[in-house]
Amino acid sequence: AQTVTQSQPEMSVQEAETVTLSCTYDTSESDYYLFWYKQPPSRQMILVIRQEAYKQQNATENRFSVNFQKAAKSFSLKISDSQLGDAAMYFCAYRVYSGGGADGLTFGKGTHLIIQP
Amino acid sequence: GAVVSQHPSWVICKSGTSVKIECRSLDFQATTMFWYRQFPKQSLMLMATSNEGSKATYEQGVEKDKFLINHASLTLSTLTVTSAHPEDSSFYICSASSRLAGTDTQYFGPGTRLTVL
Repeated sequence: AQTVTQSQPEMSVQEAETVTLSCTYDTSESDYYLFWYKQPPSRQMILVIRQEAYKQQNATENRFSVNFQKAAKSFSLKISDSQLGDAAMYFCAYRVYSGGGADGLTFGKGTHLIIQP
Repeated sequence: GAVVSQHPSWVICKSGTSVKIECRSLDFQATTMFWYRQFPKQSLMLMATSNEGSKATYEQGVEKDKFLINHASLTLSTLTVTSAHPEDSSFYICSASSRLAGTDTQYFGPGTRLTVL
């Protein structure tokens, strides 16, 4: 069974600074997706970024980028120019690739990100 | 973007009663819907996966007779918590994906908070 580990229960960063959230995973599959989701106090899950395992290039979405190390099974999220609105729980998630989107996500325990003004 | 709604957003019920939670995809046809459970300050745990017109597939440890899932149409899935007890109190989140849309992204609903007295 696949597992996702987030070793940082809480991280704090100054506004406008850069922060990196860590995630490692374990799987025997070769084709899969990795995601970072944000859950603000409203508890609505928001997709931040996704990475296909077969792609070597790291995904980037504006201020958010990942460092995907497939051999090390590591998938960290870097948030640049942190903003107050980035404060939330961040969950790393894994899904096996099955060609139809019919597989559920396995989530890590989450990292609570605090933005200091 | 794709919108998923849940109803109700918050429900309080007495122990022993049954509660139904609805999950609707508002602007796309959801070929697959997922139900997750989230305890306070914890991660999301996949409960079951349902494909339209088929029986749901439950994760290990989830009681099928306790959590009844129906996915009768491409826009609606329901989760019924039968004979609810205080330990069933939790935050229930659904998500939906559509292979018809050519994407396998999961879109999350806003969640339903269940409190069993």
